[in-house]
Amino acid sequence: GENVEQHPSTLSVQEGDSAVIKCTYSDSASNYFPWYKQELGKGPQLIIDIRSNVGEKKDQRIAVTLNKTAKHFSLHITETQPEDSAVYFCAASSGYQLTFGKGTKLSVIP
Amino acid sequence: DTAVSQTPKYLVTQMGNDKSIKCEQNLGHDTMYWYKQDSKKFLKIMFSYNNKELIINETVPNRFSPKSPDKAHLNLHINSLELGDSAVYFCASRQVTGGPSEQFFGPGTRLTVL
Repeated sequence: GENVEQHPSTLSVQEGDSAVIKCTYSDSASNYFPWYKQELGKGPQLIIDIRSNVGEKKDQRIAVTLNKTAKHFSLHITETQPEDSAVYFCAASSGYQLTFGKGTKLSVIP
Repeated sequence: DTAVSQTPKYLVTQMGNDKSIKCEQNLGHDTMYWYKQDSKKFLKIMFSYNNKELIINETVPNRFSPKSPDKAHLNLHINSLELGDSAVYFCASRQVTGGPSEQFFGPGTRLTVL
């Protein structure tokens, strides 16, 4: 089955700096790669996703890149703000099941 | 309207009791899921139903039994609760037929077993 590794597990950045979270996956059949943000006491919410026929996608301060050959994808957050502090999960899917990474706790220091 | 709803939000109970968590989605999705999130925040898939048919059944104690009365509902019943069952349980739904799409999560049910 699919295995998703996510790094780092914790990340602290100064407000205004960029944050990068990286994930690798094992199943070459995976074709959908979402990123979720989970705030304290809430369920995970999709912030951006990318499909395997696209190499990069951007939405305001958030961007995701995908390297299918190397089987890795990354989340980039620019101009970080305190409200970006949360746990971020990457995931990979080729069918019914989303396999999640173990999460990255991002802390943005004002 | 809430897309994926769960009840109750909090559940505190004694060891050995039986409890149920209910989930409903109003998105018209064909697939629903139960996840367990422990204190380390890892999201572990437990079960998945597609059009009321069980399609994912991970290594979960048989004290956990899912039930899907229709496409919009997926309930989770837990027998003989143990301390280790304490966690946050998330329901989710997704439209799988037709290609990759967003999975929506419910707000979670925090289960505490005393």
